[in-house]
This record gives sequence, structure tokens and C-alpha cells, in this order.
Amino acid sequence: DTAVSQTPKYLVTQMGNDKSIKCEQNLGHDTMYWYKQDSKKFLKIMFSYNNKELIINETVPNRFSPKSPDKAHLNLHINSLELGDSAVYFCASSPSSGGGYEQYFGPGTRLTVT
Amino acid sequence: QKEVEQNSGPLSVPEGAIASLNCTYSDRVSQSFFWYRQYSGKSPELIMSIYSNGDKEDGRFTAQLNKASQYVSLLIRDSQPSDSATYLCAVNSWGKFQFGAGTQVVVTP
Repeated sequence: DTAVSQTPKYLVTQMGNDKSIKCEQNLGHDTMYWYKQDSKKFLKIMFSYNNKELIINETVPNRFSPKSPDKAHLNLHINSLELGDSAVYFCASSPSSGGGYEQYFGPGTRLTVT
Repeated sequence: QKEVEQNSGPLSVPEGAIASLNCTYSDRVSQSFFWYRQYSGKSPELIMSIYSNGDKEDGRFTAQLNKASQYVSLLIRDSQPSDSATYLCAVNSWGKFQFGAGTQVVVTP
């Protein structure tokens, strides 16, 4: 009964390819996030959606495009993959977009670009 | 200047001792504060949240918050080998979460 799930768990692909990662939460939360964790383990926010509306869009190459078909799903599409995109990508959700709420993380997708 | 700072460690703690982790943050209007535990190869897991000044205890964990000093800490009492992990401090400012780089804790038998 996974709260926040992501697919795939591992993704190995070549430079220049396009790939997507999917995320789903069954917690009834309004807000979802994408994070990138690099090899130094630093977690950096990329995007946030609240009820299907983009509310946080950090400085991320426009090769990365999030999409939220409904508030329980948030997908991440990456065009023209580069070596530097290799990282673990985490999806997270929060009850609301306000300042007083916690986040819950999915299991992560380890992306390796060769 | 990093917005959420933690000592990277590793913090070596004998089994049964107290592990003390510190975190400072730069945004004075931050509203909520969290500690996450991350085992190698796993996702961050929420272990403590704190919203007001003072101490909050949950089992072997105690979080302490001092908003005037912009400081959050986590104490782990009776440390166990299973506590060996990286501990991430997170700060929520108006819905935007910022994480520290994490402190690696190693509990030695």
C-alpha cells in the first residue's frame, strides 16, 4: 500500500534520448514535487505542483518538463538527455503548498546516462 | 551562503551514546522544520517535525528549535547501529522546502 510510488526504479539510457518518469501518490495530498539528488547527496527542488498548477519552477534546463494530469500524478519528461542528468530523482507529496506541512518521498528513480 | 547548513560528518557515535546533530538556516520567516533519515540507496524518511520554539520528543529522538538563533538540532538517545544513516535537515518557507547537505552518522558497536 505504497503512499508515493515512482516508475521506473532504474533507468539507463544513452545521451540524446528522451525519457519519462512517473509518480503517483495515494495520500490525498494537494501538492507534489520533483527533486534531484546528485552524487554528493544534495537534494535540490526542481518543480512543485499544487492541484495540477505549477507553483515552483526552479532554474532547471527547459529539457525538463513536468506534467500533472491530476493532483495524484506528477510526471517528469526529459528531452535530449545529457551525462550531467545522471542522478536520483525523487518525487514527493505534501498535504498542501503552505509553510506548515511535511513532505513524503517516493522511492526514487536512479537515472544513468551513458 | 548555503541556506540550510549542516556538518557533513561523518559523526561517529558509540552504541548507546547520544548523537547530536545541528542545522542552521538563513530564512528568518521559515515556518516549519523537519529531520529526515536517509539510508544509503533509499529515499528520505520523515522522522521529526517541529514548528515552534523549544523541544519536541518522540521516542529516542528529540528535536530542538530556536528561531531567534535560526537553529534546529536533533538528538538521538541510546544510539543503535540501525541509526547509521544520513540525516537531512529541511526547512519549509511558504511551501518551498530547502534541504541541508546532510550529516552522516555512524554508530559503532
